[in-house]
Amino acid sequence: QQQVKQSPQSLIVQKGGISIINCAYENTAFDYFPWYQQFPGKGPALLIAIRPDVSEKKEGRFTISFNKSAKQFSLHIMDSQPGDSATYFCAALSYNTDKLIFGTGTRLQVFP
Amino acid sequence: DSGVTQTPKHLITATGQRVTLRCSPRSGDLSVYWYQQSLDQGLQFLIQYYNGEERAKGNILERFSAQQFPDLHSELNLSSLELGDSALYFCASSVEEGEAYEQYFGPGTRLTVT
Repeated sequence: QQQVKQSPQSLIVQKGGISIINCAYENTAFDYFPWYQQFPGKGPALLIAIRPDVSEKKEGRFTISFNKSAKQFSLHIMDSQPGDSATYFCAALSYNTDKLIFGTGTRLQVFP
Repeated sequence: DSGVTQTPKHLITATGQRVTLRCSPRSGDLSVYWYQQSLDQGLQFLIQYYNGEERAKGNILERFSAQQFPDLHSELNLSSLELGDSALYFCASSVEEGEAYEQYFGPGTRLTVT
C-alpha cells in the first residue's frame, strides 16, 4: 500500500535550470520528511529533511517546500548541475511506527 | 562514505538456498534498519532493530529473519530463496536521540538468485 506518491518518474533538466520533484502523502501522522539522493551502485544518502511545523527549508541549492494542509512536499534543486544526476527519493516517517516509507523515486538527468 | 558497512557486496546463489547478509552500523548508532530495493517494488522497509531488540516490522517475508548482536552489528537471513528475492538489500543505521531520525545507508548487497 503506497502511502507516499512521487512524481515525475523521470526528469530531464538543462544545466543551470531548476529541478522540481513532488511528493504527496496520505497519513497525517507522519512526523519527518527526508529526501534521499542515490547514485548508481550506491546506497541512498540523506540530502535534506523537514518536519511538518516548518513550511520551507533550504540547504545550499536544495530547498524543501512543505504544504501541510495539502499533504504535499517538494524538492527544488536550483542551478542544477550534471553532478546532480541521480535518483531522488522522498520519504515519510512516523515517530510512532519508526517506519520510513519511500516514494517510488525520480530519475534526474541534468544535461550540460 | 556513510560509515555503515555491508558485506558481501555481491551474492549469487541458487533457488532454495539460504544466505546471510551482514551490516555494521555507524559507531554509536543503536538502531539498524533493513530495506529491500527492487525495480518493481522500489525501496521497501523490512525490519528495524534497536539495541538488540526488534522495534518495527515492515513487509518482511516469513522466509526472512534478522537479528542484532550485542556489538550492534546485524544480520539478515534469507532462506528458501526464490527468483523474486533478487534485489539490492540495504542496511541503515541511526542514533535515535530525541527526534534525530536521520538514517544513514550502507552501500548495499546485491543478491542474485538464479
